[in-house]
Amino acid sequence: QKEVEQDPGPLSVPEGAIVSLNCTYSNSAFQYFMWYRQYSRKGPELLMYTYSSGNKEDGRFTAQVDKSSKYISLFIRDSQPSDSATYLCARSGGSNYKLTFGKGTLLTVNP
Amino acid sequence: DVKVTQSSRYLVKRTGEKVFLECVQDMDHENMFWYRQDPGLGLRLIYFSYDVKMKEKGDIPEGYSVSREKKERFSLILESASTNQTSMYLCASSLGGGVGEQYFGPGTRLTVT
Repeated sequence: QKEVEQDPGPLSVPEGAIVSLNCTYSNSAFQYFMWYRQYSRKGPELLMYTYSSGNKEDGRFTAQVDKSSKYISLFIRDSQPSDSATYLCARSGGSNYKLTFGKGTLLTVNP
Repeated sequence: DVKVTQSSRYLVKRTGEKVFLECVQDMDHENMFWYRQDPGLGLRLIYFSYDVKMKEKGDIPEGYSVSREKKERFSLILESASTNQTSMYLCASSLGGGVGEQYFGPGTRLTVT
């Protein structure tokens, strides 16, 4: 089983919708979770990161970790066409400086 | 503002050529990484370096080598390019320790014909 699983989508929503992007992970060790956004033909950019459990909010974006179910989520409120991109989840493992990435979910927000 | 730059955005090379991809970061980061990204396969780690002149193999090192002579620069070398190395190549860097978040360059789209 891959350490981080992510539904590849694609996901298509109307402008203004609430978007939920999800990943599951298998390793329960100490770790941080990250969300990256990648526009077409560009490098991934870090959106936000959270510790092993709890929520973190940044504007229209909320990252959530459910440690009991090993589930991580990114919620986008009031989605905009400019949010159309591939979203990648990732985890780090304490002192291990490598990240484990999901394969990414392609999101399209239609005007 | 964090900055990772890659030497080329697009590159076309012939089979058998030696290819150099260069990455420079200006954040004084200890760690640097090379990934390739292919549709349906996601990001795959080729090599990483945690210090000058130090390197470790990632998940798919075959056909690649790397060089890190200075802290800010990390080069990926394709000794003899093959068509199955056509891909998007991404460089990233991160601080040693801490959260471990990585900052990516814009990518190089390499086509081997």
